[in-house]
Amino acid sequence: NAGVTQTPKFQVLKTGQSMTLQCAQDMNHEYMSWYRQDPGMGLRLIHYSVGAGITDQGEVPNGYNVSRSTTEDFPLRLLSAAPSQTSVYFCASQLAGGYSTDTQYFGPGTRLTVL
Amino acid sequence: LAKTTQPISMDSYEGQEVNITCSHNNIATNDYITWYQQFPSQGPRFIIQGYKTKVTNEVASLFIPADRKSSTLSLPRVSLSDTAVYYCLVGGLPGGGKLTFGQGTILTVHP
Repeated sequence: NAGVTQTPKFQVLKTGQSMTLQCAQDMNHEYMSWYRQDPGMGLRLIHYSVGAGITDQGEVPNGYNVSRSTTEDFPLRLLSAAPSQTSVYFCASQLAGGYSTDTQYFGPGTRLTVL
Repeated sequence: LAKTTQPISMDSYEGQEVNITCSHNNIATNDYITWYQQFPSQGPRFIIQGYKTKVTNEVASLFIPADRKSSTLSLPRVSLSDTAVYYCLVGGLPGGGKLTFGQGTILTVHP
């Protein structure tokens, strides 16, 4: 199993540009999440999905869109990039529908810089 | 979601036992306590999880007192490679992916 994969690893955008961060998992996990981590901070939840076709907002959803058309993929879209979105983005997946007893598996992260 | 409080940083030396305590006064009846480890430039990795008393695996032990208002992660005989950020998370059903990561504890192991 590749686990959770994220592309790209690094990205530089100009203010106002849009882009999609890709996340895929091959563990047949229902639950997927996107977090952002700013320097010296913990992870903050952006959006999550409990299964294909179902998404919901986390703690910091503004400026981001998600969709879940398949179990495997959970892309994160930045609509109009802003310098405040400079961060490291982590995608995570979890076996069942969000039970805290299930381990979350994290991807390697995407380091995004918005100029 | 229960809020957690942990020390911002800790220092230790190779071969010592390290205990990191997390306070979670508002823990709910169905909440589990989970610890994650994060190395620089990597995503967090699950270490251990428990509900009450003591849990031990090949990496660490987790001690949870009867009132469950705190928990202690114990790392036996740390090495330089244990230098990382350690997060204590508390969540219940349907917590899961909505678990809240605090600032974590930066553990630095010195030679």
